[in-house]
Amino acid sequence: ETGVTQTPRHLVMGMTNKKSLKCEQHLGHNAMYWYKQSAKKPLELMFVYSLEERVENNSVPSRFSPECPNSSHLFLHLHTLQPEDSALYLCASSQATGWTEAFFGQGTRLTVV
Amino acid sequence: LAKTTQPISMDSYEGQEVNITCSHNNIATNDYITWYQQFPSQGPRFIIQGYKTKVTNEVASLFIPADRKSSTLSLPRVSLSDTAVYYCLVGDTRGGADGLTFGKGTHLIIQP
Repeated sequence: ETGVTQTPRHLVMGMTNKKSLKCEQHLGHNAMYWYKQSAKKPLELMFVYSLEERVENNSVPSRFSPECPNSSHLFLHLHTLQPEDSALYLCASSQATGWTEAFFGQGTRLTVV
Repeated sequence: LAKTTQPISMDSYEGQEVNITCSHNNIATNDYITWYQQFPSQGPRFIIQGYKTKVTNEVASLFIPADRKSSTLSLPRVSLSDTAVYYCLVGDTRGGADGLTFGKGTHLIIQP
């Protein structure tokens, strides 16, 4: 248990569906992140939030839409995804952006059919 | 974060000591060295962090030579459950607006 909780753990969705991934941390951290990990590839940083403001968007397609309503919650809204978007989506938090000790959730295994 | 180089994969046996070396020739004065462990279908887990010489915790030891251009993660008496991917990261503990950047890591396979 890392203190970062992601739901759901598994998700199967069609290309026309809309779904959301949820991440929650009660560690008092000010920074939250979304990562994508495709099969046999390194983790890819998608979005960085600091104190509920997005500070980084690594050229992620607009079909992925993050939301950070408060410093404890982070969402990733998904719509019109493609099969190549199937991956493990990981949420992480750290005391502040750039800190090298981060805490990761268990991830959401997403399959787009 | 400074660029790091580590072996793609390693094999060992239960009960052995495993040493994984990471090269980071361009490490900056303020940079720390951090190692993460990742099991399949799980998020990475922080293992250990150090700046120089030797750091030890309940999981591993980290050896850093005086020039800090490399570091070695040492796992004592490994078991099958230590099979995982190990990532070496180098950066300022309070640096910039970037999230952590992970490389390909070292896939460690422990055999009986």
